[in-house]
Amino acid sequence: GESVGLHLPTLSVQEGDNSIINCAYSNSASDYFIWYKQESGKGPQFIIDIRSNMDKRQGQRVTVLLNKTVKHLSLQIAATQPGDSAVYFCAEKGSSYKLIFGSGTRLLVRP
Amino acid sequence: KAGVTQTPRYLIKTRGQQVTLSCSPISGHRSVSWYQQTPGQGLQFLFEYFSETQRNKGNFPGRFSGRQFSNSRSEMNVSTLELGDSALYLCASSWGPPGETEAFFGQGTRLTVV
Repeated sequence: GESVGLHLPTLSVQEGDNSIINCAYSNSASDYFIWYKQESGKGPQFIIDIRSNMDKRQGQRVTVLLNKTVKHLSLQIAATQPGDSAVYFCAEKGSSYKLIFGSGTRLLVRP
Repeated sequence: KAGVTQTPRYLIKTRGQQVTLSCSPISGHRSVSWYQQTPGQGLQFLFEYFSETQRNKGNFPGRFSGRQFSNSRSEMNVSTLELGDSALYLCASSWGPPGETEAFFGQGTRLTVV
């Protein structure tokens, strides 16, 4: 069946360091991937997306890497700040107008 | 530009009751999707509507239903509530099909069934 998963449930980093959050997906036909950030008490917030015709996409302090060969997705956050503390979800475009979400990784930023 | 608005933010219901949740999408967005979020199951797709038509439904029992109005606002209904229905219900809107255009989420409705 369709599934998107995460390797690490919790990631703790020092403020100022770079963070890397990983995600594996199972559907090799997927052509669109998104990273969301969810803070406590809020809905998921779009961070960055990437289509399968790209390997890398950069935003402000964030970079998403896509490795289609091993069906792996990663989110890199540069100079992690306390405000980056949240749960991060990868999502995959599933069949028929839906997104399939991974289980989430909690990012904790130590001051 | 107003974001996705979900009402109410919090609800407490008793087992056996029914509940209706509302979602107002971003102006101009015609696609509305609903997700259930629980600690154990994560974000699970419920259904997606576009121009008042349900285009896809997730693996939830028939107690879960929804609809979309001509102004793109959407409601979901859960009948005969069970304790396991306690969850955060999230609505997302997008201009086009989710997964092809960016989907924006509301803050959710926290439903507690007692």
